[in-house]
Amino acid sequence: DQQVKQNSPSLSVQEGRISILNCDYTNSMFDYFLWYKKYPAEGPTFLISISSIKDKNEDGRFTVFLNKSAKHLSLHIVPSQPGDSAVYFCAASVSDDYKLSFGAGTTVTVRA
Amino acid sequence: DGGITQSPKYLFRKEGQNVTLSCEQNLNHDAMYWYRQDPGQGLRLIYYSQIVNDFQKGDIAEGYSVSREKKESFPLTVTSAQKNPTAFYLCASSIAGGLTYEQYFGPGTRLTVT
Repeated sequence: DQQVKQNSPSLSVQEGRISILNCDYTNSMFDYFLWYKKYPAEGPTFLISISSIKDKNEDGRFTVFLNKSAKHLSLHIVPSQPGDSAVYFCAASVSDDYKLSFGAGTTVTVRA
Repeated sequence: DGGITQSPKYLFRKEGQNVTLSCEQNLNHDAMYWYRQDPGQGLRLIYYSQIVNDFQKGDIAEGYSVSREKKESFPLTVTSAQKNPTAFYLCASSIAGGLTYEQYFGPGTRLTVT
């Protein structure tokens, strides 16, 4: 039973515009959320995270929003750049549990 | 230059053979993990270890085995009992007991079994 879901397998966006990636989770015990970026044939790299005590975290062009009541988080990339073309994974964890539960990923393609 | 090393990048084996994937880290992390990625699916946890000489099964441990004799090393053996071993395998590590749970990943090993 997948506890973290990314329902959009792909997203195409024009360079300079906003990319919005969505993630839903079912386990109400999750209290820490992360986004990873992955290029083909490479390992994922950490992008940004958010604790459940916050509803927004910003790092440069990347902002993550958390809606606990809806069990939903989103990643905004503004402005989108060609180098942002990659697979983005949403992940979640419970305090004191080292395991991360990953979504299936969303492939972002930024068009010139 | 700290990081996680996985070798080899590509590995080919015949069906019925056991194969061991290497994972080494010099980040001084206590916790290490093995994931498997299949097309169209997220990362699925195979095994994880929070401390030397201790490890726990993840969600899909059947057909796999691990050891953790040294803090820096966490090799994964794909046994002949694993029904669908062809996949992209990722090793990761993290600080144990920290306030955040960021995992750092190696470059991965693509295993093909024919």
